[in-house]
This record gives sequence, structure tokens and C-alpha cells, in this order.
Amino acid sequence: GAVVSQHPSWVICKSGTSVKIECRSLDFQATTMFWYRQFPKQSLMLMATSNEGSKATYEQGVEKDKFLINHASLTLSTLTVTSAHPEDSSFYICSASIHEQYFGPGTRLTVT
Amino acid sequence: ELKVEQNPLFLSMQEGKNYTIYCNYSTTSDRLYWYRQDPGKSLESLFVLLSNGAVKQEGRLMASLDTKARLSTLHITAAVHDLSATYFCAVVTGAGSYQLTFGKGTKLSVIP
Repeated sequence: GAVVSQHPSWVICKSGTSVKIECRSLDFQATTMFWYRQFPKQSLMLMATSNEGSKATYEQGVEKDKFLINHASLTLSTLTVTSAHPEDSSFYICSASIHEQYFGPGTRLTVT
Repeated sequence: ELKVEQNPLFLSMQEGKNYTIYCNYSTTSDRLYWYRQDPGKSLESLFVLLSNGAVKQEGRLMASLDTKARLSTLHITAAVHDLSATYFCAVVTGAGSYQLTFGKGTKLSVIP
């Protein structure tokens, strides 16, 4: 139980385009989902906390207009990286919480 | 602001040896997690520690928690190459919260 999926698992896009990443809780309903970014050889950095039906709460230094988060249902949250730049290339991990956080497998984003 | 410090950040050890990774945190928390991350992969949950004096063991790994000292340890017994990975501790940020603050991670390399 407590399985979280992410799609796509990896994506390459050109600078200036937008990319959407989906995070789904497959066998439970998650009231809260979290989005993290991890640069190579670094720890996970929390980007935002998202609750179903309400606006996401972004961490300091994360541009909410660049990283759009939508949490439309108890099983789906999406992260859209708008006007992506090479410095947005990273490993993006979501988690869904019910009593604790369950992590998705991650999405590797490369912006060329 | 909760701070989580792990040490060492890098650990190279020979197979068969024992070693301990330390995780200190700065404010009271009611839950501490240990995760394993393999290269290019997401997090794998190892242990959740809930109370003072909690000890959990799985195979060659044993985790303990001292809430008074705000210290958790991850002890590796008779290391094997398969244990090579990066290990993170993470602490719940506030009472009733699911938000986690991560340590920087300890990259463990077990040398045959």
C-alpha cells in the first residue's frame, strides 16, 4: 500500500518551454502533497506544500509564478515548470501524505 | 527554524566493518525518519522513530533515537557493498505536521 507515482520519469525540453509533472497517490487519498527539488549530490529541498482544493504554500525563494502547482483532487497534484531554463534542470520528487509522507519515484528534468 | 545536521557527509568503509552515522536536530520533534537513496532513484523509507529510546533494526542497520539529546544514530554492522548509498535523516517540522526537514545526507561507500 501507499504507492505514489510520478509521470514522466524523465523529460528533456528546450529552454523557454513549459513542462508538467504529475504526482498521483495510487491507493490512498492524500490531503497534502509536497514537491521537492534535488540538485546533484545535494539533499532534498522543499519547494511547496499543496493541499487539495487550496493554493499551494511555497517555500522562501521559490517563484510561485514559475513553478505552478495544482492540487485538483485527493489523488493528483501537478507541478508545471513554466518558461524552463537550464538552471531548472534537476530531479523533482513529490510525496503524498497520510500519517506520513510517501515519496514518488522522481522526475529527471533536463532543459537544453 | 529547525535545523538537521548529519555527520559524516561522506563515509568510505571496508566490508565487514562497523560504523555509525549521526543526526542532530535543533528543536523538539515527535518523529524522525531515516531514508536510503540510490543514485538516480527516489527515497526508500528505512525507519521511523517515534519516541525517546526507540530502537529499530533491519538487517545490518539499526537506528536509535534520543529525544533529550535531539540525536539519532544509524549504526551499520558488518557492512556489505550493497549498503552503498546515500542515507538521509529527516525530522518532522512541527507537532501535527507532516512536513519534513532533511539533513544533507551521508554518502556511504562500502569497499570490498
